[in-house]
Amino acid sequence: KNEVEQSPQNLTAQEGEFITINCSYSVGISALHWLQQHPGGGIVSLFMLSSGKKKHGRLIATINIQEKHSSLHITASHPRDSAVYICAVLSLQGAQKLVFGQGTRLTINP
Amino acid sequence: DAMVIQNPRYQVTQFGKPVTLSCSQTLNHNVMYWYQQKSSQAPKLLFHYYDKDFNNEADTPDNFQSRRPNTSFCFLDIRSPGLGDAAMYLCATKDRNLRSEQYFGPGTRLTVT
Repeated sequence: KNEVEQSPQNLTAQEGEFITINCSYSVGISALHWLQQHPGGGIVSLFMLSSGKKKHGRLIATINIQEKHSSLHITASHPRDSAVYICAVLSLQGAQKLVFGQGTRLTINP
Repeated sequence: DAMVIQNPRYQVTQFGKPVTLSCSQTLNHNVMYWYQQKSSQAPKLLFHYYDKDFNNEADTPDNFQSRRPNTSFCFLDIRSPGLGDAAMYLCATKDRNLRSEQYFGPGTRLTVT
């Protein structure tokens, strides 16, 4: 079992829909990242969380440390949001190394 | 302004011909990472530097080497590229503070012919 599990692995939705991507992890962490990667592109960091909730534009990320769970929400989704979204954690034992989930491939149709 | 810069963005090399990928940063971060990412897979850490201290992952092939001549620059050398080394190579940097964010470069896509 991976230390970081994301669901769903693939998600297709219509423009305007509210999107939720989930991430569960099994290790103690100091921080959790949500990353975005467009097809063939590099990685962009969306959020880094260690508690609570963060919002940036239409994106919202939450984390529940006790339940070892985080969610990424996209409101009013748009085709340009189509990308792979990756959850990655900085484990307490990890010596500055990220542990990655397998990613969620999001497709927003117009 | 670009903070983590990778050159080139696309590199084509021949089977067995050594190739070097470069990464530079303007953030003065202590930690620099090299990842390999193959299609539809999560990034795989190859090695990282904490200042000048080199940390190799146990399963990184000997074919992959790295140099960090100063804080700003880090190089990935692939001594004898095989077809299986075709991938996106990502550089990232991070401040020494455990809770600080990791910043990724745009990546170099390597093709081996």
